[in-house]
Amino acid sequence: AQRVTQPEKLLSVFKGAPVELKCNYSYSGSPELFWYVQYSRQRLQLLLRHISRESIKGFTADLNKGETSFHLKKPFAQEEDSAMYYCALSGDGATNKLIFGTGTLLAVQP
Amino acid sequence: DGGITQSPKYLFRKEGQNVTLSCEQNLNHDAMYWYRQDPGQGLRLIYYSQIVNDFQKGDIAEGYSVSREKKESFPLTVTSAQKNPTAFYLCASSIDREAEAFFGQGTRLTVV
Repeated sequence: AQRVTQPEKLLSVFKGAPVELKCNYSYSGSPELFWYVQYSRQRLQLLLRHISRESIKGFTADLNKGETSFHLKKPFAQEEDSAMYYCALSGDGATNKLIFGTGTLLAVQP
Repeated sequence: DGGITQSPKYLFRKEGQNVTLSCEQNLNHDAMYWYRQDPGQGLRLIYYSQIVNDFQKGDIAEGYSVSREKKESFPLTVTSAQKNPTAFYLCASSIDREAEAFFGQGTRLTVV
């Protein structure tokens, strides 16, 4: 079964501190992994996806198939990073579906 | 102006009534999804469709129904069988499984 786990509901850090939002997944095939972000009063939007191997707004995420993890990292948090972050997985089966974790609220304190 | 539109933004219904939420996209996307967002539970998949005239149940399909008669439209009906229908509903679409999913602004349904 497809499953995405985000163990932290809330992560509070100070500006300039490193950030790591944890994501673990359960899937037997070859998944596509994503991070989505929802800023206050805005639509949910894509932050990055593992297939692109890119850094967006200073965030990176590496897919670790051995640990089935896709943690989101940023070396120096900014106040504007405060938002709700969701990890998502898309399966590769005939009826693949896009599922999300429960989300982590990142609060960056000044 | 391309995008995905949900309507209405707020919806009130009496208990026992069916209600249909609209989702329209002009992005020419094949895949469309319906999610329910509750505090502390993230986005839970209700139904999804990979192509016109085909759809599959998600993780919490009971009490809901959908149709996909046109590529651009994927309406969700919340039936009287749904035991706890009051929630925020999100619709999304994407080209394929590797691509970005675009989300609507959501519909907040309140059943009284």
